[in-house]
Amino acid sequence: ETGVTQSPTHLIKTRGQQVTLRCSSQSGHNTVSWYQQALGQGPQFIFQYYREEENGRGNFPPRFSGLQFPNYSSELNVNALELDDSALYLCASSSRINPRDTGELFFGEGSRLTVL
Amino acid sequence: AQKVTQAQTEISVVEKEDVTLDCVYETRDTTYYLFWYKQPPSGELVFLIRRNSFDEQNEISGRYSWNFQKSTSSFNFTITASQVVDSAVYFCALSERANEGGSQGNLIFGKGTKLSVKP
Repeated sequence: ETGVTQSPTHLIKTRGQQVTLRCSSQSGHNTVSWYQQALGQGPQFIFQYYREEENGRGNFPPRFSGLQFPNYSSELNVNALELDDSALYLCASSSRINPRDTGELFFGEGSRLTVL
Repeated sequence: AQKVTQAQTEISVVEKEDVTLDCVYETRDTTYYLFWYKQPPSGELVFLIRRNSFDEQNEISGRYSWNFQKSTSSFNFTITASQVVDSAVYFCALSERANEGGSQGNLIFGKGTKLSVKP
């Protein structure tokens, strides 16, 4: 067990709705990354937060947004949900000395989102 | 562009057989990191190994071993004497060293290889 916890574990939304997913990072970790994993695919990088600031973003539209709080926990928000947003959303935390460090990622078990 | 290819979609073996999972990567960077993760049905990605591009030594950890060959851009993973508990999806991933102002250390995953070990 990595110590990274995500909530909720499962949820169902309808197209056009908004969703917030939450992640508590492992103790002592200052960096949180979010990944989207569609069924049968590898995870794809959404964005990363380092010390409460966005520190890199993958190829996802602006309706995917996030936050990191002073305790380094994080939220992923998705607006105007589309059917293709159905996926497992994985949060990973790591400890970085500086923004350019490549720290080992510790993943949570994910939040499975179904959009109907 | 960076890319990771895991050509084997699914592999099925009988317990105690050896099995090798292939991984081929593409990158323009000279400094990069390679990873293997295991994903059991619970969904959590379990870290197995990280290798930097300057370290081509093969590594063995118990029944697991990794063969890194820069000449062929491959980073293959072998499980010796497989067990039912090894059944999972295995992902190979690539991370480039951070560039100024760019995304740093983010993982590019292959599509994964589903390993089924039957008793």
